[in-house]
Amino acid sequence: KAGVTQTPRYLIKTRGQQVTLSCSPISGHRSVSWYQQTPGQGLQFLFEYFSETQRNKGNFPGRFSGRQFSNSRSEMNVSTLELGDSALYLCASSSSSLRNEQFFGPGTRLTVL
Amino acid sequence: KNEVEQSPQNLTAQEGEFITINCSYSVGISALHWLQQHPGGGIVSLFMLSSGKKKHGRLIATINIQEKHSSLHITASHPRDSAVYICAVRSLIIIQGAQKLVFGQGTRLTINP
Repeated sequence: KAGVTQTPRYLIKTRGQQVTLSCSPISGHRSVSWYQQTPGQGLQFLFEYFSETQRNKGNFPGRFSGRQFSNSRSEMNVSTLELGDSALYLCASSSSSLRNEQFFGPGTRLTVL
Repeated sequence: KNEVEQSPQNLTAQEGEFITINCSYSVGISALHWLQQHPGGGIVSLFMLSSGKKKHGRLIATINIQEKHSSLHITASHPRDSAVYICAVRSLIIIQGAQKLVFGQGTRLTINP
């Protein structure tokens, strides 16, 4: 079974731009969660999607948004990028929810200049 | 004070030593995860536990719900165990049918040959 894939793996953007990151979960998994990891703040929960609905959201500004498609693939969008958005963005999938084991993707490393 | 505290933050040991990493939390939880992150960013879920003890190979995880404390032990440590180990708890505060994941800052483990 293929693992969680994320594209792109690396991305460089400038302040003010917007970015879209993609996550394809393990086949059969319906829950996708997104996390931000920075050296200063560590890992932080962004949001979770299940069956195309956002079920939970972390403490991030509205510039961070996401969606999930009917095939469970998920995208995360960050608008009006700031320098502090530079981070490793990880997604994880599970069969139903955060209650189950999470399988992480390799991450997308975003650098904002 | 962070809701999840790990100790130590950094740990260096010699190959073969017995390793213990601790995690204390201040919120009510439904489960606790131990994650391993290697250089390059990939995260692997090691354990998910809500009570007692789990063992997988040379790794053992324990949790004491009353004391709000968990430990991850590595027996006969090996240089390939060098990684960041992250404790994450699933908060009992249920929002929109899901539960929030809160992460510790991680413990950087280096095993020297």
